[in-house]
Amino acid sequence: GAGVSQSPSNKVTEKGKDVELRCDPISGHTALYWYRQSLGQGLEFLIYFQGNSAPDKSGLPSDRFSAERTGGSVSTLTIQRTQQEDSAVYLCASSFGLAGVGEQYFGPGTRLTVT
Amino acid sequence: GQQVMQIPQYQHVQEGEDFTTYCNSSTTLSNIQWYKQRPGGHPVFLIQLVKSGEVKKQKRLTFQFGEAKKNSSLHITATQTTDVGTYFCLLIQGAQKLVFGQGTRLTINP
Repeated sequence: GAGVSQSPSNKVTEKGKDVELRCDPISGHTALYWYRQSLGQGLEFLIYFQGNSAPDKSGLPSDRFSAERTGGSVSTLTIQRTQQEDSAVYLCASSFGLAGVGEQYFGPGTRLTVT
Repeated sequence: GQQVMQIPQYQHVQEGEDFTTYCNSSTTLSNIQWYKQRPGGHPVFLIQLVKSGEVKKQKRLTFQFGEAKKNSSLHITATQTTDVGTYFCLLIQGAQKLVFGQGTRLTINP
């Protein structure tokens, strides 16, 4: 079957604009994760969903960031009033069962550039 | 909160030499996972360790989980150019607290 998909693959936006990033997990995967990776840097955990619930939102960098998941499937990460420091690759991953227990399958990422 | 240190940050070796990366946690872990990210790619799962003192092997790769479940290592024997990439540990504490290590970037001189 298909892997994790993300859209768009690239997004260039002006500072101050809102952006919405989409993740389609592998069918049947109940856990979904969002990470951020700045150029040449490590992976910063943002948020995870178990089903449609996000038990811990403390990883989100600021209140400009929000995420939701509907129907236990697609998730969107929204960044309001984008800043240049938001420029990064945003990676989504999904796994079967409880979050943190199983292998995570990563999508190709969305490269966000804020000008 | 949970802190992780992964060392070294960079490692350059001659092809055929061995390579080891280490992850250390400030807290006891539920389990730990290792991922590899090739340049320009996304992380790919390598292994999960759950039990205290566990050792797992995948061909030339050996993974260890410390007795106290606070540290782990990944060792590659006789590196090949296909091993190039960044290796990350993912520390998992109870209640699904996830923290990636900083990563060890491996480059190889053929």
